[in-house]
Amino acid sequence: QVQLVESGGGVVQPGRSLRLACAAAGFTLRGYAMHWVRQAPGKGLQWVAAISNDGRNKYYADSVKGRFTISRDNSGNTLYLQMNSLRPEDAAVYYCARDSMWIPSSPEFWGQGTLVTVSS
Amino acid sequence: DIQMTQSPSSLSASVGDRVMITCRASEGIRNDLDWFQQKPGKAPKRLIYSASSLQSGVPSRFSGSGSGTEFTLTISSLQPEDFATYYCLQHHSNSWTFGHGTKVEIK
Repeated sequence: QVQLVESGGGVVQPGRSLRLACAAAGFTLRGYAMHWVRQAPGKGLQWVAAISNDGRNKYYADSVKGRFTISRDNSGNTLYLQMNSLRPEDAAVYYCARDSMWIPSSPEFWGQGTLVTVSS
Repeated sequence: DIQMTQSPSSLSASVGDRVMITCRASEGIRNDLDWFQQKPGKAPKRLIYSASSLQSGVPSRFSGSGSGTEFTLTISSLQPEDFATYYCLQHHSNSWTFGHGTKVEIK
């Protein structure tokens, strides 16, 4: 079955960087688009970024554009989110999700999330 | 950017009640809308995709309807395991926006 396991979360100071990873299992990663979605403590869901199956097309929320980079290693079955210039408002649980299709559309299967805390 | 207005923000209902949650898009999104359920401390779970298609394994008491700008999630007979927060997500024209959520609580 589809398994997605996020890692890389932790406590980071404002202005610093962090890279999240999402290990995929139970399916062929190169066949699907992928997403990152976040949820601040006690708040709703916020879509962050998406990437097509081949990595050629990437999309970002305005709030992270220019600071975050989504990428993927299909041979290593891993999705990444490089987060630079972190702000307190970036603190959240970050979920990776597998799409239904090869182009970004609907996030169907979700991992359990990894917590990012931004604090001095 | 496409905005999603979800209502109500919370509701209290009893087991067996019919529950309806609405999302309104700021512009037409055809049927590019999904519904998710989230329980505390858990990842979201997709219930409905393309506005009205039931996700495999999801009970048939869940249904979705609508197209364009108005969408509805209906739970025909609320069960104890359905108490959760529900979100809509639009994914039209390479943009993605969640509604603010509806918390369904026990009356």
